Amino acid sequence: NAGVTQTPKFQVLKTGQSMTLQCAQDMNHEYMSWYRQDPGMGLRLIHYSVGAGITDQGEVPNGYNVSRSTTEDFPLRLLSAAPSQTSVYFCASSYSGPRQETQYFGPGTRLLVL
Amino acid sequence: AQSVTQLGSHVSVSEGALVLLRCNYSSSVPPYLFWYVQYPNQGLQLLLKYTTGATLVKGINGFEAEFKKSETSFHLTKPSAHMSDAAEYFCAVSPSGGYQKVTFGIGTKLQVIP
Repeated sequence: NAGVTQTPKFQVLKTGQSMTLQCAQDMNHEYMSWYRQDPGMGLRLIHYSVGAGITDQGEVPNGYNVSRSTTEDFPLRLLSAAPSQTSVYFCASSYSGPRQETQYFGPGTRLLVL
Repeated sequence: AQSVTQLGSHVSVSEGALVLLRCNYSSSVPPYLFWYVQYPNQGLQLLLKYTTGATLVKGINGFEAEFKKSETSFHLTKPSAHMSDAAEYFCAVSPSGGYQKVTFGIGTKLQVIP
């Protein structure tokens, strides 16, 4: 298993540009989430999904869109980047079952918006 | 809404000394509490999780945490610090026990002095 993969590792955008942060997992996990990490603020939930076709907003959803067309992929879209979206973005996947529960984080994407 | 407060953004301990990282929670319902560790330039890794039952929870790498309802605390401890424990540690809470809507504290950076 590759676990949770995120691409790109680092990206520089200009204000107003759009981009998609990719997240994929090969563990057949139902749940996937996107977080942003900023100094002194911990991690804040942007969007999450409890299964293919089902997404919901987290604590800081404004400026971000998500979709979950397959179990494996959960891309995060920035429609019009702003300097306030400069951050490190983490994707996570998890599974909770009667006999096992696991959670894995990806390595992160560092985004700089100029 | 549930939240956690981590006391001390930076903690320094000598190698071999006790590690104590403090976390207090705020919740109107029984909380589900987590501790995560983040090594430099990496994603987060789950150390331990409290749901119900035994209030002393043992995690990976020799860490443990005790749930104290009377003090609304969930402090993380390790009897003897190792250089490899230097990292940032996050306390977190979930309303449902699942991983999809976890709320994180701001983190505590642990420095281990040789």
